[in-house]
Amino acid sequence: DAKTTQPNSMESNEEEPVHLPCNHSTISGTDYIHWYRQLPSQGPEYVIHGLTSNVNNRMASLAIAEDRKSSTLILHRATLRDAAVYYCIPNLYGGSQGNLIFGKGTKLSVKP
Amino acid sequence: KAGVTQTPRYLIKTRGQQVTLSCSPISGHRSVSWYQQTPGQGLQFLFEYFSETQRNKGNFPGRFSGRQFSNSRSEMNVSTLELGDSALYLCASSPGRGGRLNYGYTFGSGTRLTVV
Repeated sequence: DAKTTQPNSMESNEEEPVHLPCNHSTISGTDYIHWYRQLPSQGPEYVIHGLTSNVNNRMASLAIAEDRKSSTLILHRATLRDAAVYYCIPNLYGGSQGNLIFGKGTKLSVKP
Repeated sequence: KAGVTQTPRYLIKTRGQQVTLSCSPISGHRSVSWYQQTPGQGLQFLFEYFSETQRNKGNFPGRFSGRQFSNSRSEMNVSTLELGDSALYLCASSPGRGGRLNYGYTFGSGTRLTVV
């Protein structure tokens, strides 16, 4: 299973961009990189995913390194509602049982 | 469209009792997975159901079981509850099995189980 390394916590000011890094050096060539986030008292929610190219959606952008060993989730303008734990999951079907493997994630705090 | 619905939201049970949790997936989704979340262990996979069959199972004791009905609704059961079973139990649904083809998962808000 591909292993990930994410900072335990990060802090941002409201309306400023946030770059959340993730290292996944053991990722295989066909694994998509997925990001989920979990807001307080809620279940995880899908944020974005990509394979090789950078990806954008209404929530965030995903920048993937050329060697695919790392990626960065970019929130262009952080809001208070973005305070959550962000999980980088390099292989959606990665568990030996075909399950999502959640690491510890990065707890993002957003200051007004 | 309606999201993943889990009932009940909160539950308090006594050690030794059993409990049944329910999950209604998004309409049209055929795969339902269950996860346990605790402060110490984080999110851990319990099992996955697809077309009424358990397809995968995580490393949990046999006290944890589940089933899926023909309408894709799923229930999980925990027998002989222990204090350590106190956790947030999350259900996730997906159109295809196991999140294949990058369908992704949609999670419910969970059932908070407290065992006293």
